[in-house]
Amino acid sequence: SSELTQDPAVSVALGQTVRITCQGDSLRNYYATWYQQKPGQAPVLVIYNKNRRPSGIPDRFSGSSSGNTTSLTITGARAEDEADYYCHSRDSSGNYPVFGGGTKLTVL
Amino acid sequence: QVQLVQSGGEVKKPGASVKVSCKASGYTFTSYGISWVRQAPGQGLEWMGWISAKNGQTNYAHQLQDRVTMTTDTSTSTAYMEVRTLRSDDTAVYYCARGSAAAATSFVDYWGQGTLVTVSS
Repeated sequence: SSELTQDPAVSVALGQTVRITCQGDSLRNYYATWYQQKPGQAPVLVIYNKNRRPSGIPDRFSGSSSGNTTSLTITGARAEDEADYYCHSRDSSGNYPVFGGGTKLTVL
Repeated sequence: QVQLVQSGGEVKKPGASVKVSCKASGYTFTSYGISWVRQAPGQGLEWMGWISAKNGQTNYAHQLQDRVTMTTDTSTSTAYMEVRTLRSDDTAVYYCARGSAAAATSFVDYWGQGTLVTVSS
């Protein structure tokens, strides 16, 4: 099991706001990164350094953190946001990268 | 534009080795590192290791360090990842991704298209 814990599945109604969370002790000390992966495609970076967006990522995606939990929020979810989302940070030693188990987002 | 283009899919027998390539373009290869991540069918992402294209420093995941070797060829801006003594549970899509030249723990920003490696007798 991963040192970063994510809910396996989350759903959101079209146009509503959804928060996807990632928990782990290392998140108290290190930034998290979020990746979006659609079926049959490579992951895409959506949030880095806790709350920064790469160019081309819509501003409906935002990141935040508190204590041992980091969150990805999608404000006004669209059908094309349906995907798997993975958090990424360090393991408890701080020396190795680790991914969360992933959250499958369904847009209803 | 930044591109990472990986080699094609492979089918290998248990006990064999596989070497996947990742050719970079659109940026200065030696200013970054390359991480390798794999994804077994229907499963999540697993970090395998990292190599600095600047100085060749490597950092491998504990569970793979005895069977994996990562290298770079700076003359062709290409990274390579070899897995030896393949087992059926090595069947996965293997991705290369661009990261920091200085640290394995940094985020990655561009990914290759993935290479499916199938291990089957």
